Amino acid sequence: DSGVTQTPKHLITATGQRVTLRCSPRSGDLSVYWYQQSLDQGLQFLIQYYNGEERAKGNILERFSAQQFPDLHSELNLSSLELGDSALYFCASSLLGTRNEKLFFGSGTQLSVL
Amino acid sequence: AQSVAQPEDQVNVAEGNPLTVKCTYSVSGNPYLFWYVQYPNRGLQFLLKYITGDNLVKGSYGFEAEFNKSQTSFHLKKPSALVSDSALYFCAVREPLDGNTPLVFGKGTRLSVIA
Repeated sequence: DSGVTQTPKHLITATGQRVTLRCSPRSGDLSVYWYQQSLDQGLQFLIQYYNGEERAKGNILERFSAQQFPDLHSELNLSSLELGDSALYFCASSLLGTRNEKLFFGSGTQLSVL
Repeated sequence: AQSVAQPEDQVNVAEGNPLTVKCTYSVSGNPYLFWYVQYPNRGLQFLLKYITGDNLVKGSYGFEAEFNKSQTSFHLKKPSALVSDSALYFCAVREPLDGNTPLVFGKGTRLSVIA
């Protein structure tokens, strides 16, 4: 068990809808990362937060947004969903968000857009 | 921008034989390199990392990786494969000179160890 908790584990929704994915980092970790895993694109970095502030941004669509709350949990909001958004979304955490740290991954949220 | 390539989608090896999973990278400067493993229905787990120092890095579950700067490679190895090593393996690289660059992953190599 990595100590990173993601909910829900599975999410099935329709095109055009909006969903929220939740992540609780390991106790004490200040940095949270979101990744999208799909068969054709592999593991794509979306966004990183450190202690409530956005630190780095990757290939995150404008329809997607995220935030990290004072208790350090994070939420990834996906809106106007399209079929192509179907993927496994991972959250990861690390203590300080520094470059040489290993990441601890949650088990992911499997999103299916029908 | 940094990138990493895993040239093999699938690697098959017999149990007890040595295994190698290949990875090459492209960064400006000296890289931070990582290997992660993903078992079915699980998140990625850290195996090992190279930051600086000895080119041979030892990690979890008997895995090791060799950093080769001239060939820009960081191949994952294990002397004797186990059936339980069957999983999806990801190489990842991070640009050390820019603080805000993310950890970039390869597309993964599926390892099958056959009994």
